[in-house]
Amino acid sequence: ETGVTQTPRHLVMGMTNKKSLKCEQHLGHNAMYWYKQSAKKPLELMFVYSLEERVENNSVPSRFSPECPNSSHLFLHLHTLQPEDSALYLCASSQGQGITDTQYFGPGTRLTVL
Amino acid sequence: KNQVEQSPQSLIILEGKNCTLQCNYTVSPFSNLRWYKQDTGRGPVSLTIMTFSENTKSNGRYTATLDADTKQSSLHITASQLSDSASYICVVSAILHDMRFGAGTRLTVKP
Repeated sequence: ETGVTQTPRHLVMGMTNKKSLKCEQHLGHNAMYWYKQSAKKPLELMFVYSLEERVENNSVPSRFSPECPNSSHLFLHLHTLQPEDSALYLCASSQGQGITDTQYFGPGTRLTVL
Repeated sequence: KNQVEQSPQSLIILEGKNCTLQCNYTVSPFSNLRWYKQDTGRGPVSLTIMTFSENTKSNGRYTATLDADTKQSSLHITASQLSDSASYICVVSAILHDMRFGAGTRLTVKP
């Protein structure tokens, strides 16, 4: 295992539901990330947190709301999602934000929006 | 058009054979290039990272090459095993957080 856990592993929700994805890293890293992986498409970086401060937001719709209460935990709050938001959501962490810092990924949450 | 193009999109080989996956990029300025392996139902795992000055790097049976002049990289897998079946993703970094991901090559190793 990579030291990054994600829950739940699978989630099915309706467009009017509100749910949250959770990520926890046990590596003592300072940076955490949310990615979206759609079928046959490249990974898309959604959010970056460094030392609990958001440092990057790649024009993600407001129906996705991240939260980083401490350096070990990262949440992605979901509300009023669309069917095209169905994808694998991956969390990652790295020691720092240096160009050679390796990101360690969690197993992902498979999200289906009905 | 994606700035990182991988080929082939999918590949099927027999166990024990070698294969080479390609990654062409237009990302500039170039910082580093990584290859990740992603097993089905799991997150990507880093295999190699190369900076501008490196043109080859090995990790067991995986050998990555980089030609920064032609902006091409390859990942060579030697003596393939069934456990090599996965998606292989090329990631090119320009500046901090500006990471561009390829769509991946889906490799299937058959007995």
